[in-house]
Amino acid sequence: QSALTQPPSASGSPGQSVTISCTGTSSDIGDYNHVSWYQQHPGKAPKLMIYEVSKRPSGVPDRFSGSKSGNTASLTVSGLQAEDETDYYCSSYAGSNLLLFGGGTKLTVL
Amino acid sequence: QVQLVQSGAEVKKPEASVRVSCMASGYTFTGYYMHWVRQAPGQGLEWMGWINPNGGGTNYAQKFQGRVTMTRDTSIRTAYMDLSRLRSDDTAIYYCARDESGGYYGAFDIWGQGTMVTVSS
Repeated sequence: QSALTQPPSASGSPGQSVTISCTGTSSDIGDYNHVSWYQQHPGKAPKLMIYEVSKRPSGVPDRFSGSKSGNTASLTVSGLQAEDETDYYCSSYAGSNLLLFGGGTKLTVL
Repeated sequence: QVQLVQSGAEVKKPEASVRVSCMASGYTFTGYYMHWVRQAPGQGLEWMGWINPNGGGTNYAQKFQGRVTMTRDTSIRTAYMDLSRLRSDDTAIYYCARDESGGYYGAFDIWGQGTMVTVSS
């Protein structure tokens, strides 16, 4: 199975909102509500930001939100802050006990 | 506190094998699936597979089938990932990650610190 498709980069100014997309197929994102988003700062392990499409773990700011439409999931970061500048990855359950990751998106705060 | 602590960095020659360990603390080890994810230098995350510590059942990504084996020792709350017939493109950071989804659906809330595996002749 192929990886999920994310844009390589995204950007926004402080205080603005930015949305990162994650496109799959009807066999993964389109068929299951098990989409997660991870934030990864350089040299660090990834951090869970969103799970089950739109749920936030305890401690994650509500500036981070997730949604899904058809075969595409999205992560929206509102009120951009300098510390949001880093890499973001999506993942989805793909059936048959398998998981897929997206290729990652580098978010730049202008 | 809840944490996963992995073994240290490894340097291996091509065709050798490597074992990475992941010791869990602060939670019921057998209550959560454990996954392994790797990240080559400058690249994205790649899912390798999971093990159910309660019973030892496993499932591997097709890419790694035949080369990877995931096991666990519940007495010491430790999961292991063995990768054989190493190649240079196996050079990566290997992470273990706890799945909090209640199954194997991929909501990784706790990650190990990562283990760098370098494959070089």
